Amino acid sequence: KNQVEQSPQSLIILEGKNCTLQCNYTVSPFSNLRWYKQDTGRGPVSLTIMTFSENTKSNGRYTATLDADTKQSSLHITASQLSDSASYICVVRCLGEYGNKLVFGSGTILRVKS
Amino acid sequence: GAVVSQHPSWVICKSGTSVKIECRSLDFQATTMFWYRQFPKQSLMLMATSNEGSKATYEQGVEKDKFLINHASLTLSTLTVTSAHPEDSSFYICSARQDYSPLHFGNGTRLTVT
Repeated sequence: KNQVEQSPQSLIILEGKNCTLQCNYTVSPFSNLRWYKQDTGRGPVSLTIMTFSENTKSNGRYTATLDADTKQSSLHITASQLSDSASYICVVRCLGEYGNKLVFGSGTILRVKS
Repeated sequence: GAVVSQHPSWVICKSGTSVKIECRSLDFQATTMFWYRQFPKQSLMLMATSNEGSKATYEQGVEKDKFLINHASLTLSTLTVTSAHPEDSSFYICSARQDYSPLHFGNGTRLTVT
């Protein structure tokens, strides 16, 4: 069964600290993996997209890694800011019989405290 | 865990007809539901936010008379694409949350208008 599991479910950190969010998936066949940031009451915003051949990709203070062998991805946030408080969603695209299909993780809620 | 069921998973309709997509929260009360649209190789685009018992809030550029959203109960929201045209062909996704808990996404509906 195609699944995407994220951990932790929620996380509280102090401003300026680093954190790492995890995403494990069983989706197959794999197409790509996206990390989204979603602020409360807003739509998700894509942070990174990673394909099978990519191991790491950065977007400012966000760095995503992908291990296609173990089917794991992580999102590392450095020097956290209050504005990083949001829900982070891992979404994996798989190649389905009727075309591509998105499988969503349930997200990690990050709260950055001053 | 919390599950959001979206139905149908794919639908083909003729131009000029209307299509209704359902989004149900199966084991929690969804105080807020979101509807997204996604074009190929693009990120999710938020269409509207609906709170149970009140009118939906539409994002700029989304026609409220074209995309009718009803959130009549805490477990069900519907999106009706009225007088569908080929340019309405897209992938529609709903998500739901109870108060400020993590977002839970449906698996999407692929609409093809011929």
